[in-house]
Amino acid sequence: AQSVTQLDSQVPVFEEAPVELRCNYSSSVSVYLFWYVQYPNQGLQLLLKYLSGSTLVESINGFEAEFNKSQTSFHLRKPSVHISDTAEYFCAVSRSGGGADGLTFGKGTHLIIQP
Amino acid sequence: KAGVTQTPRYLIKTRGQQVTLSCSPISGHRSVSWYQQTPGQGLQFLFEYFSETQRNKGNFPGRFSGRQFSNSRSEMNVSTLELGDSALYLCASSLRAGKSTDTQYFGPGTRLTVL
Repeated sequence: AQSVTQLDSQVPVFEEAPVELRCNYSSSVSVYLFWYVQYPNQGLQLLLKYLSGSTLVESINGFEAEFNKSQTSFHLRKPSVHISDTAEYFCAVSRSGGGADGLTFGKGTHLIIQP
Repeated sequence: KAGVTQTPRYLIKTRGQQVTLSCSPISGHRSVSWYQQTPGQGLQFLFEYFSETQRNKGNFPGRFSGRQFSNSRSEMNVSTLELGDSALYLCASSLRAGKSTDTQYFGPGTRLTVL
């Protein structure tokens, strides 16, 4: 079984400041890693994912995440946040070895951008 | 291409009743997964359907069931509703089943309130 820990339930940050949302996972098998974003009253949208290859993955809106196997982490970062980045962010994992038993999500981190 | 649609968006029921939620996947997607989102437990996998067959099921009681039709549309049913069933129910579709590399696209969810 897999588990995901998002260490911060809320992260307040000033606009244009950098931010890091932390995610650690636990799994006895190889996994794929995902970050999803949920805006108020909406479903989840995929932000970025790590399947294989380069450990640094980027999204089109300036977010990036780095897979660190030794630390079992997949932290999400953005060098300069905007007010529109206010949302709930979820880290998730799924088994990579075939078969699918759904995504396992962390509890989420609420990113609060202060003007 | 239209996204994942869920109906109804909001629902209020009383304890002991049953409820049916509907999900229409993205055109061409054949796999539909359901998740429950609550403030306490976060996002939890309910089940996945592919080719009208349930492929995987999360750790939920038998009161939670679902089905998929030949056009890939899916419904989930909760019988004998309990207060704790109040949640946002999210549906996600993907191209194939059992492929963790396939992105899951989420609908906006159905907000169920049990009184």
